[in-house]
Order: sequence, then structure tokens, then C-alpha cells
Amino acid sequence: DIQMTQSPSTLSASVGDRVTITCRASQPISSWLAWYQQKPGNAPNLLIYKASSLESGVPLRFSGSGSGTEFTLTISSLQPNDSATYYCQQYNKSPFTFGQGTKLETK
Amino acid sequence: QVQVVQSGPEVKRPGASVKLSCKAAGYNLINYNMHWVRQAPGQGLEWMGLINPSGGSTSYAQEFQGRLTMTRDTSTSTVYMELSSLTSDDTAIYYCARGGDFMDVWGKGTTVTVSS
Repeated sequence: DIQMTQSPSTLSASVGDRVTITCRASQPISSWLAWYQQKPGNAPNLLIYKASSLESGVPLRFSGSGSGTEFTLTISSLQPNDSATYYCQQYNKSPFTFGQGTKLETK
Repeated sequence: QVQVVQSGPEVKRPGASVKLSCKAAGYNLINYNMHWVRQAPGQGLEWMGLINPSGGSTSYAQEFQGRLTMTRDTSTSTVYMELSSLTSDDTAIYYCARGGDFMDVWGKGTTVTVSS
């Protein structure tokens, strides 16, 4: 199975900060990577697919980059309602594994 | 409005089976895979498997092989996920989610509690 490792596991940042979350795959996955946001008590919500494609309706402050084994999710200017846990997921090969999550707190 | 509507909460005894449903609304079920993902209390997301509702083919994560079955009923636009030989480790929220390979529409989740 492909292992997905996110860093950091937790992150605290101020409103307006630029925030970056990293996701590393244990083997190359091309650009077959998605990012999800999950707020407490809610289902996950798709933010990014194919590493850098923004899902419709997702604010432009979210962006994704990378290919191969290293990927990043960037929030250009952190907003209070961005507090959530963020997960990457590879879909290059079944099983479609998730990272362990990054919990982002807004100061 | 495109959505997937999941069945209600379940409480099961260890050793029992649970069968959850997920109904596609606002789109044609057979045009997208349906994934199942679970989340144990306070834990991350775990991909369980998917079903292609068009032909019924499935792909399951290895750790669930032998006790996980996904089926579909195209006449009611519904997919089902049955998990057998339940233990307390199966206590979780179970999500179904529409997708090709990534998941763009998620259900609200079904809580399954396994307790004696």
C-alpha cells in the first residue's frame, strides 16, 4: 500500500498568515492527489483534486502543488473559518490511502 | 441538488453484521463510483473500498477482505455496505462518498456503535 505522511500534524497560525501543509507519498503517484477539509462534526469536503485543481466553490486562497511524491496545500491568507483538519489522499493506486491529517488552529 | 443520503445510526453486538445504505439523489448513480470511508472516534479517515454501480465491480482495502461486501440496487439508486464479524474496533462514523477516484460529494455519515 502507498503510505501518505502529512506534516505538521498540528499547526497554529494567525489570521492573514500564509499556511503550508505538506504531504509525502511513499512512492510516486504522479498528480493523483486530493485534499479535503473536515470541520468537527461534519463530513470531509473536497478542496483540491489532481494535485492542483481547485474544486468548484472553494475559495481562491486555497491552492495545491506538487507531483511525484511531494505535495503541498497552501492557504494564502488564513481566515478564522479555516480552522479544521486537512487530509491528503492518493488515488493513484488502490487502496486509496489518506494521510493522518493536519489539525489547523487559527490563533 | 446532488447529494448522497445515508441511513440512520446502528448499534450492534460484537460478532454481528451491519448493513448500511447510501442513496444517490440528483444524479445518475451508475455514472460515478461510490466509496466508503470510515472514521473512528478522534481518528483520521480510513478508505474501505469502492463499488462501480454500473457493473457492480468492487475494490476493497486488504484489511477488510473477507468481511466487507458492497452491493448496489440501480432501481432505487442505492448502494449498500455490509461489514461482518464486528468488533469494538469497528465503532466509527461510516461515510459514503461519490467519486471517480477522488470523492466530491459526501454523505453526512452513519454512526455505528459496537458494544456488548
